[in-house]
Amino acid sequence: LAKTTQPISMDSYEGQEVNITCSHNNIATNDYITWYQQFPSQGPRFIIQGYKTKVTNEVASLFIPADRKSSTLSLPRVSLSDTAVYYCLVVLNTGFQKLVFGTGTRLLVSP
Amino acid sequence: GAGVSQSPSNKVTEKGKDVELRCDPISGHTALYWYRQSLGQGLEFLIYFQGNSAPDKSGLPSDRFSAERTGGSVSTLTIQRTQQEDSAVYLCASSYGHPDGYTFGSGTRLTVV
Repeated sequence: LAKTTQPISMDSYEGQEVNITCSHNNIATNDYITWYQQFPSQGPRFIIQGYKTKVTNEVASLFIPADRKSSTLSLPRVSLSDTAVYYCLVVLNTGFQKLVFGTGTRLLVSP
Repeated sequence: GAGVSQSPSNKVTEKGKDVELRCDPISGHTALYWYRQSLGQGLEFLIYFQGNSAPDKSGLPSDRFSAERTGGSVSTLTIQRTQQEDSAVYLCASSYGHPDGYTFGSGTRLTVV
């Protein structure tokens, strides 16, 4: 599966929109982009997945350009509780597989 | 149960002792994974069980580490002759086979003194 690269850390303030970009230059045709969120002292949890264009759910939006070599996780109007580590993963859409986590992006939201 | 349960939540052990960490997956999830997370680091894959297939042990860091899954349900991760570098949070996850279906437990924080 394709290796991913994302910023190590980001800082923001409450109420701002946060965009975290992940690059995955070697993504394959059958790969999907998946994002997980990890709060301190907890295991990661799934937040969003997409293949191309835009996906939106109650937590976030995911933007994927036509070449799929990168993706952007967008968190609208962040709050203090969005402080977490965000992991970008490239996965197969279905089937059993081990998830390979990088170092993630540590987002700190301040008042 | 409703989620993945891990026990103990915290474990302090002396260097050289053996430890066993337990994971109770979500009922019906046929895949089970163990990961390790050192302080401030990302998740490191250790081992993966899927149904009756041979486990993928490719992430185990040394032969001091082993895991088993009995009856396709509960799993135990055993670390023999613990070393200080084994100190980390050990996370278990289970899955029904879709990328959005991975559920992680809260982990066992292991401290080797």
